[in-house]
Amino acid sequence: EAQVTQNPRYLITVTGKKLTVTCSQNMNHEYMSWYRQDPGLGLRQIYYSMNVEVTDKGDVPEGYKVSRKEKRNFPLILESPSPNQTSLYFCASSSPDESYEQYFGPGTRLTVT
Amino acid sequence: AQSVSQHNHHVILSEAASLELGCNYSYGGTVNLFWYVQYPGQHLQLLLKYFSGDPLVKGIKGFEAEFIKSKFSFNLRKPSVQWSDTAEYFCAVNAADSGGYQKVTFGTGTKLQVIP
Repeated sequence: EAQVTQNPRYLITVTGKKLTVTCSQNMNHEYMSWYRQDPGLGLRQIYYSMNVEVTDKGDVPEGYKVSRKEKRNFPLILESPSPNQTSLYFCASSSPDESYEQYFGPGTRLTVT
Repeated sequence: AQSVSQHNHHVILSEAASLELGCNYSYGGTVNLFWYVQYPGQHLQLLLKYFSGDPLVKGIKGFEAEFIKSKFSFNLRKPSVQWSDTAEYFCAVNAADSGGYQKVTFGTGTKLQVIP
């Protein structure tokens, strides 16, 4: 089954404690992205990757890092989380072969206290 | 930079009413256009997409959208909504950025509430 998986699904942490949210896709997609979803603001792109070792900033990259060492994985790293990063995070993958239709993961709800 | 506007933030309809959600984008080049739906507590799923050809595209669950290039619009329609259509709807545009890479931009979403 074609899917995008994220872990963990829920996470409560404290300010400053480094965390990683994993994302994996099994569709051999070239593109992968991270979004955050906040009420009234829709989805905002944090980072995206066009292929292995190729990443670029989205609209709200501050406070986040990513890496793309393998085609299937695209982890999101918060080196020093702050309360304003409390949000719902989605990973997505896409391919030019499918007109860049986004396939979304189930989401990670992060709370930073 | 490309942008996407969804003017209706919250829409309340009775069952069987017709639906039209507006979406306008700002980008002069070639675009791929999408509508995604997010049911309560779930992730986004594709409703329909346009990339070329017939500007009237049909999606799942009776939804359709019309691409009007001259108006930079891609409005979503459904003739008769059901209670199960209660969800949040996002318009999205995919286009090449200044570096030639494909970038997707989402609108802020429209919450649809259908009253039985």
